Amino acid sequence: NAGVTQTPKFRILKIGQSMTLQCTQDMNHNYMYWYRQDPGMGLKLIYYSVGAGITDKGEVPNGYNVSRSTTEDFPLRLELAAPSQTSVYFCASSPTGIRNYGYTFGSGTRLTVV
Amino acid sequence: ELKVEQNPLFLSMQEGKNYTIYCNYSTTSDRLYWYRQDPGKSLESLFVLLSNGAVKQEGRLMASLDTKARLSTLHITAAVHDLSATYFCAVVLDSGAGSYQLTFGKGTKLSVIP
Repeated sequence: NAGVTQTPKFRILKIGQSMTLQCTQDMNHNYMYWYRQDPGMGLKLIYYSVGAGITDKGEVPNGYNVSRSTTEDFPLRLELAAPSQTSVYFCASSPTGIRNYGYTFGSGTRLTVV
Repeated sequence: ELKVEQNPLFLSMQEGKNYTIYCNYSTTSDRLYWYRQDPGKSLESLFVLLSNGAVKQEGRLMASLDTKARLSTLHITAAVHDLSATYFCAVVLDSGAGSYQLTFGKGTKLSVIP
């Protein structure tokens, strides 16, 4: 199993550009999450989804959008990139109704906005 | 709002010594997770603590949970260099509808010096 796969691993954007961070999981997990990690700040939840067609905002959703058309994919869209969005982004997934294992994380996308 | 506080945030210790990392959280929760992150890498699940009094051990690491005190500890015994990493605790915030979100502490950066 590949688990949770994120692409790209690294990206440099110019201010005002847009991009999509891809996240795919092959574990048939219903729940998926996007977090951002800033140095010394832990992880903050951007958006999450409890199943295909259902998404909801987390703690820091401004400047981002998500969609969930399939169980496997949960892309994160950045519109009009700003320097404040420079961060490492992690996608994660978890099984429905099973709280014994926490999340499975992807390897992360390191984004720099200049 | 659920707040999760870890201390210390930075820990430098000599090989062979013992130390404890503390994780306090602000609201009722009966599930707590510990993760390890190596530099530039993703988060790896270490322990899942599911009830008051839960204790889990793996090698030189032992985690415990006291839900009444809203406190978890990660105890390191006879530290070795390979344990150098950043350790995060995370607590469940039950958002209802069968979903849950993890709220993370800021992490404890552990450096074990030979």
